[in-house]
Amino acid sequence: GENVEQHPSTLSVQEGDSAVIKCTYSDSASNYFPWYKQELGKGPQLIIDIRSNVGEKKDQRIAVTLNKTAKHFSLHITETQPEDSAVYFCAASRLSSASKIIFGSGTRLSIRP
Amino acid sequence: GAVVSQHPSRVICKSGTSVKIECRSLDFQATTMFWYRQFPKQSLMLMATSNEGSKATYEQGVEKDKFLINHASLTLSTLTVTSAHPEDSSFYICSAVPGLGVDDTQYFGPGTRLTVL
Repeated sequence: GENVEQHPSTLSVQEGDSAVIKCTYSDSASNYFPWYKQELGKGPQLIIDIRSNVGEKKDQRIAVTLNKTAKHFSLHITETQPEDSAVYFCAASRLSSASKIIFGSGTRLSIRP
Repeated sequence: GAVVSQHPSRVICKSGTSVKIECRSLDFQATTMFWYRQFPKQSLMLMATSNEGSKATYEQGVEKDKFLINHASLTLSTLTVTSAHPEDSSFYICSAVPGLGVDDTQYFGPGTRLTVL
């Protein structure tokens, strides 16, 4: 079945440094790749997404890149801040109203002051 | 916009009782809603897909008679955990999709923490 692998499982970076989280997916028909931030005891919050017709997307300190050929996509957070500490999930889907989202296993990001 | 709420946020119940969790799309109509379960330090696992006015589609290994899903309107879906046992204790999260060619993004609720004693 469809699978999304995510690395690393934990990541600790100094405040102000960059953080990179990488994912791979198995379903070649996937065309929508959202990233979610989940804080303790809360539901996932969509922070950025990318569709397969685009190779890169940026929103302030957050950027995502997509390599469809290699089935890789990555999240880049620059100038990290303490409030970036959370669990981040990548996901892959065939974009339609009834499509399932397949989640990665999550990355626990800690920002060291 | 695109706010999804869940009620209750936390519930504690005794083993053998049933618990109902509500998922509402507050400012849009949702053609499809999804129910997920998340155990501590794990990812979200899809339990079922719910479409308004039709039976839910359950993922493999999810007991449909134990986890009853009702999607009676375009803004409300409910998950009832019947005869709950301690192993059902988990964080239950719903998501809703506006769909209809307008917006196929899944918007997630804040989750419901279920503890079965």
